Amino acid sequence: GAGVSQSPSNKVTEKGKDVELRCDPISGHTALYWYRQSLGQGLEFLIYFQGNSAPDKSGLPSDRFSAERTGGSVSTLTIQRTQQEDSAVYLCASSLQRGTTGELFFGEGSRLTVL
Amino acid sequence: GNSVTQMEGPVTLSEEAFLTINCTYTATGYPSLFWYVQYPGEGLQLLLKATKADDKGSNKGFEATYRKETTSFHLEKGSVQVSDSAVYFCGGYQKVTFGIGTKLQVIP
Repeated sequence: GAGVSQSPSNKVTEKGKDVELRCDPISGHTALYWYRQSLGQGLEFLIYFQGNSAPDKSGLPSDRFSAERTGGSVSTLTIQRTQQEDSAVYLCASSLQRGTTGELFFGEGSRLTVL
Repeated sequence: GNSVTQMEGPVTLSEEAFLTINCTYTATGYPSLFWYVQYPGEGLQLLLKATKADDKGSNKGFEATYRKETTSFHLEKGSVQVSDSAVYFCGGYQKVTFGIGTKLQVIP
């Protein structure tokens, strides 16, 4: 597609359930990022992929959070045993290559609400 | 580590007022810096960037100059419009780190 696509756009789940959030980056972009946007917290870095590997997972808040990327393209962020504090908008971005000044292209995000 | 300190909002201005949103960056060396903007209901998009010290980034009437001495990259606009109402994020490329975001509301 022309831009970064994320799904679902909205997800409401019950505490304790697992959720999967998907990101389709722009074709050809090797770098892919996940961020979490919460009220009053700004943009919190979660994880970065270069190709299929994740050299920087330093932002994942707990072991309930994991992410993978396959074929150098689609990425899935999985949150296990969701908690209310996981409620946020999860943003995905891609760029040609990290470490340069290339523009990050963001998706519109997946809004997660944990009841 | 890398960190971005950004002026907290919300900021409310009248149309045609002067805008400044402060941003400072702490990192090893002098990474390229940027401002992203998130308009209501839209995804984040790059507003402007500066790749080295003393560079000025500009776009849509907004400007920011990378001050090496203070590692600051304050966003300015001489005359804001209602259409500038959005959330603005400062950040740096070294670890693609973003600040907390500053919500700007411009009233007619």
